[in-house]
Amino acid sequence: EPEVTQTPSHQVTQMGQEVILRCVPISNHLYFYWYRQILGQKVEFLVSFYNNEISEKSEIFDDQFSVERPDGSNFTLKIRSTKLEDSAMYFCASTVRGPTYEQYFGPGTRLTVT
Amino acid sequence: SQQGEEDPQALSIQEGENATMNCSYKTSINNLQWYRQNSGRGLVHLILIRSNEREKHSGRLRVTLDTSKKSSSLLITASRAADTASYFCVLVMDTGRRALTFGSGTRLQVQP
Repeated sequence: EPEVTQTPSHQVTQMGQEVILRCVPISNHLYFYWYRQILGQKVEFLVSFYNNEISEKSEIFDDQFSVERPDGSNFTLKIRSTKLEDSAMYFCASTVRGPTYEQYFGPGTRLTVT
Repeated sequence: SQQGEEDPQALSIQEGENATMNCSYKTSINNLQWYRQNSGRGLVHLILIRSNEREKHSGRLRVTLDTSKKSSSLLITASRAADTASYFCVLVMDTGRRALTFGSGTRLQVQP
């Protein structure tokens, strides 16, 4: 069964460094999402992406964040200058038919900022 | 609030028993979805019920939706230790933001 994959599973970085989290959505899916979950807290929406542009973003997704679909398979989240509070699990998700349909999540990348 | 409120916050049952989780909300929805998360790992979609549906089944799962009361319930029958997880009801709005909005969830513990 097709699944969303994410790499790396765990990323440790120093404050102020740039990180790129990678996701490979399910191949025929058209809508892509990033969520994050700070330890012990709720899952929070960051951004949605469709047709090579951001379709929706939350207040969390400020100028330090960017997303890109550099080729036909990868979907990336970049954090330009990491802060301690960026430490969280980051989940990628995709859906085939649109934002009102079920989303398929990847296993997550645990980002630790020291 | 645009998120569902799950009740109870925590539930502990014995293997073989049924587990019922409830969700209440306040806004107009396009659909309501239930997701499961095992110990901070990835989220797994369980079932989606649209605003014009009242009940759906998937294996051991049964979901009901009452839009007049703005509530939903998830029933897991004949629970197993592997059902131990957090369960979230997630709303997709009729208008405005279409991204999933998660609540705090119900933490289910199934004792073997």
